Amino acid sequence: EMQLVESGGGLVQPGRSLRLSCAASGFTFHEYTMHWVRQVPGKGLEWVSDISWNSDRTGYADSVKGRFTISRDNAKNSLYLQMNSLRPDDTALYYCVKDLFPVHPGAPTGAFDIWGQGTMVTVSS
Amino acid sequence: EIVLTQSPGTLSLSPGEGATLSCRASQSVRSSYLAWYQQKPGQAPRLLIYGASSRAPGIPDRFRGSGSGTDFTLTIRRLEPEDFAVYYCQQYGTSLTFGGGTKVEIK
Repeated sequence: EMQLVESGGGLVQPGRSLRLSCAASGFTFHEYTMHWVRQVPGKGLEWVSDISWNSDRTGYADSVKGRFTISRDNAKNSLYLQMNSLRPDDTALYYCVKDLFPVHPGAPTGAFDIWGQGTMVTVSS
Repeated sequence: EIVLTQSPGTLSLSPGEGATLSCRASQSVRSSYLAWYQQKPGQAPRLLIYGASSRAPGIPDRFRGSGSGTDFTLTIRRLEPEDFAVYYCQQYGTSLTFGGGTKVEIK
């Protein structure tokens, strides 16, 4: 069974940092682009960041660019999100998400077939 | 950034009825890279449709996606009790953006 399990969320003061982790299992992790998506409870979904299978390409939403850094360790089947200079509007449930298609020339990236259960980040003084 | 506008915001229907959900993009979605997700309270979203009209594995055929360019539709034929949820569209042709969602509630 394909599974993603996030950890690392919690309550943090504005301006501080937090590192989220995601453990993947049940699929060949290094074959897929991976993403973080967040959701304010009761609100909509926002794509945050993605990373290619070999880490040579990363992407960020404008709202987090320059503050968040995505990374992965294929040997450990793990995805990470380093969040610096956190702001109250970063408060959300953060999901680790897997691309539908494995990496392949011409294959699209960005349809998400496997989601973790999410880890809650609350930024407040 | 491509903005996706979903309508209506809320759809009140009875089990057995059909539902039509709309997703309109502010500019053309490249290669119809448009997905639909279902989200129930306390759960992560679930992929229903990708590529505008392809059903994800395990999704019942009462869910049908259609459209191209800037106008896309999710049709649910004969609503089952488990279909009452929030539905989001998402484009992945130019960066990635989500619509604001349509809630399908029991009338």
